[in-house]
Amino acid sequence: NAGVTQTPKFQVLKTGQSMTLQCAQDMNHNSMYWYRQDPGMGLRLIYYSASEGTTDKGEVPNGYNVSRLNKREFSLRLESAAPSQTSVYFCASRLQGAPNQPQHFGDGTRLSIL
Amino acid sequence: AQSVTQLGSHVSVSEGALVLLRCNYSSSVPPYLFWYVQYPNQGLQLLLKYTSAATLVKGINGFEAEFKKSETSFHLTKPSAHMSDAAEYFCAVSESTSGTYKYIFGTGTRLKVLA
Repeated sequence: NAGVTQTPKFQVLKTGQSMTLQCAQDMNHNSMYWYRQDPGMGLRLIYYSASEGTTDKGEVPNGYNVSRLNKREFSLRLESAAPSQTSVYFCASRLQGAPNQPQHFGDGTRLSIL
Repeated sequence: AQSVTQLGSHVSVSEGALVLLRCNYSSSVPPYLFWYVQYPNQGLQLLLKYTSAATLVKGINGFEAEFKKSETSFHLTKPSAHMSDAAEYFCAVSESTSGTYKYIFGTGTRLKVLA
């Protein structure tokens, strides 16, 4: 009963390095989301994918790219990491349909950029 | 665009006391509201959601929230705090963009329970 799985759980990068955060869900959900969480700022949406084959920008997309590889997987890429991207990143998924369908979250990736 | 405001970034209560965490929303249409809880080093878990079927919504772990349209509020309460309730709590509203639902989260309230 895995739900939403994120890898890695922790990562330290140097400024300018690239990295891909992985997310997979096994609930047959249509929509997937990437957020970043910073102290005092709640969760901010980076990118989302309404369904396989589509992606859209959220509130804070600059410096990131995403790929919806298939229905299960949605990856987030940092092409050239910057210290401002130090954060905790959460992936979430949701069954499309009724507006009160909740999102289901992974346990996060804690990323530090030195 | 819709928004939610959580008053109080930190709330402390004694064990056994009432828990009240505040959430106000801004929406021009009937809102779809949620409360999530986050324990240390974990993701967010759904506590409860407003479905418009009833204004008083019961969730897990003894929490409940009351939707008050006149006050644009969806405050979270629990009659008696337990040490295990110490966590961060987020209020959220879902918003439709071209048929896709996105969630707008509040900035969170960290609950501390004192022995």
